[in-house]
Amino acid sequence: DAKTTQPPSMDCAEGRAANLPCNHSTISGNEYVYWYRQIHSQGPQYIIHGLKNNETNEMASLIITEDRKSSTLILPHATLRDTAVYYCIALQKLVFGQGTRLTINP
Amino acid sequence: DAGVIQSPRHEVTEMGQEVTLRCKPISGHDYLFWYRQTMMRGLELLIYFNNNVPIDDSGMPEDRFSAKMPNASFSTLKIQPSEPRDSAVYFCASSLSSQAGEQYFGPGTRLTVT
Repeated sequence: DAKTTQPPSMDCAEGRAANLPCNHSTISGNEYVYWYRQIHSQGPQYIIHGLKNNETNEMASLIITEDRKSSTLILPHATLRDTAVYYCIALQKLVFGQGTRLTINP
Repeated sequence: DAGVIQSPRHEVTEMGQEVTLRCKPISGHDYLFWYRQTMMRGLELLIYFNNNVPIDDSGMPEDRFSAKMPNASFSTLKIQPSEPRDSAVYFCASSLSSQAGEQYFGPGTRLTVT
């Protein structure tokens, strides 16, 4: 299972795009990249996932590099409610790392 | 759909007592997962079931922990006897087999063992 690396924390201004990076250089060809977030005191929430193509849904966009060694989660217009810990997972079986604590500043 | 339902939401018990945590997955989901979250260790997968059958229990910390899924709509995680180091938030999650990684989590049970 691939190991992922994320910055421990990031800040973003409200209304701006939040771009959260994730490195998964050892990812194998059949491993999907999943993103979850956890808002304080709640259970993790699924955001999006992808294999090799870029993906977009109502919550976010996922950009995966062509070599699949890294990806970026984009929250296009961050709001205060997007303040959370964001987890990038590139595994067959979900194993959560420490994630990135994203703080949206007013 | 009501989502994944867990009970109780909070549990305080004394060391040595038996604790049973309950989970009702989303109807139609055939995967069920139990996780534990602490500040020190983060979010850990304990065990998961597929079609009510335990598939991987390698994350279960020791024999004091056991999990069952008697039917598709109910699962329990039991700790007997409980110890203070078991204090954590326990999450249940469920998913469809077609997208097992797209898991939907319950609100969690905050367990405090004194």
